[in-house]
Amino acid sequence: KAGVTQTPRYLIKTRGQQVTLSCSPISGHRSVSWYQQTPGQGLQFLFEYFSETQRNKGNFPGRFSGRQFSNSRSEMNVSTLELGDSALYLCASSLDGAYGYTFGSGTRLTVV
Amino acid sequence: AQSVTQLDSQVPVFEEAPVELRCNYSSSVSVYLFWYVQYPNQGLQLLLKYLSGSTLVKGINGFEAEFNKSQTSFHLRKPSVHISDTAEYFCAVSVDNTGFQKLVFGTGTRLLVSP
Repeated sequence: KAGVTQTPRYLIKTRGQQVTLSCSPISGHRSVSWYQQTPGQGLQFLFEYFSETQRNKGNFPGRFSGRQFSNSRSEMNVSTLELGDSALYLCASSLDGAYGYTFGSGTRLTVV
Repeated sequence: AQSVTQLDSQVPVFEEAPVELRCNYSSSVSVYLFWYVQYPNQGLQLLLKYLSGSTLVKGINGFEAEFNKSQTSFHLRKPSVHISDTAEYFCAVSVDNTGFQKLVFGTGTRLLVSP
């Protein structure tokens, strides 16, 4: 079966712009989580959605937001981009948010 | 709060030699433990997980890990590594938070396998 699909793979944006990243989970998976990976901070949890509801949020500013649609696909939005937002953004899905996640290949965002 | 410590940032090893990547965690409650591997420009791939039961867990690509509750460790081992095992390895603990298992990752260990 198809894995977790993230689009686009690479993205270059200018400071102050906003960006939307997309994640399609494995078919049947209802939980989608987002993580940010940077060389300095490592892997950090952004938020998790389950059945269109945000269940948990990490310690990120309000510029980072997300949503989940009825087909479980999820989008993550970052507004007013800063240079420090340059990172690999990873999406992960699971059946119900427990017992391990399957990750996508990520979207590498570069802010210039 | 839960945390994960990967003591070695980089582990160089020769091909066909054994390797152990160390992981220690801290938690006041029961946790689930995971090892993920990340190849360059890729996402994370699950190697193995410990949820309950046998403390020796076997995963993909010949890797295994042993859960030691008294030492709060979950070290990853492989008896004979290949060049293709060169990658970054992350240990993670999942924390039950209102029914959702949030992953807390270690800082990663870069495994460098040379001929």
